[in-house]
Amino acid sequence: EAQVTQNPRYLITVTGKKLTVTCSQNMNHEYMSWYRQDPGLGLRQIYYSMNVEVTDKGDVPEGYKVSRKEKRNFPLILESPSPNQTSLYFCASSLSTPRETQYFGPGTRLLVL
Amino acid sequence: AQKVTQAQTEISVVEKEDVTLDCVYETRDTTYYLFWYKQPPSGELVFLIRRNSFDEQNEISGRYSWNFQKSTSSFNFTITASQVVDSAVYFCALSASRTNFGNEKLTFGTGTRLTIIP
Repeated sequence: EAQVTQNPRYLITVTGKKLTVTCSQNMNHEYMSWYRQDPGLGLRQIYYSMNVEVTDKGDVPEGYKVSRKEKRNFPLILESPSPNQTSLYFCASSLSTPRETQYFGPGTRLLVL
Repeated sequence: AQKVTQAQTEISVVEKEDVTLDCVYETRDTTYYLFWYKQPPSGELVFLIRRNSFDEQNEISGRYSWNFQKSTSSFNFTITASQVVDSAVYFCALSASRTNFGNEKLTFGTGTRLTIIP
């Protein structure tokens, strides 16, 4: 089954404790991206990747890092989480560009205390 | 820069009524793509439609229809004879053509929460 998976689905952590949210797709997609969803703000793009070792900032990259060492994986790293990073995070992938249909993961709900 | 505006934050209608969700976009590119996604209460994001800027033909899929008007930069979504299962948050999104290296973003609107009252 074609899918995008994210782990964990729910996470409670404390300020400053490094964490990684994993994202994996099994569709051989080149384009992957991360979004955060906040009430009243919709989905905002954090980072995207056009292919292995090619990443770029989205609209709200501050406080986040990403890497793309393998085509299927695109982890989101919060080196020092802060309460304002409490949010619902979605990973997505598409064949090669954002102009194609995005396949979204189920979301990761993060609470930073 | 690209921008998507969904001015309707919340809409409530009685079941079987028709409802239109508005989406207004901004881009300087002549080639772009517009999308609608649905987020039901369960939280996942469900793709509804993708339309490119060269295809202004309206589309109908069952009770759903989309009206794309380049003259007003709008891509509105209408649900006919609404049902309770249509209750969700609906997002409009825009991706412009690659005119500058690195401009490979997908921009979402803030969403419209639609509640269908039984």
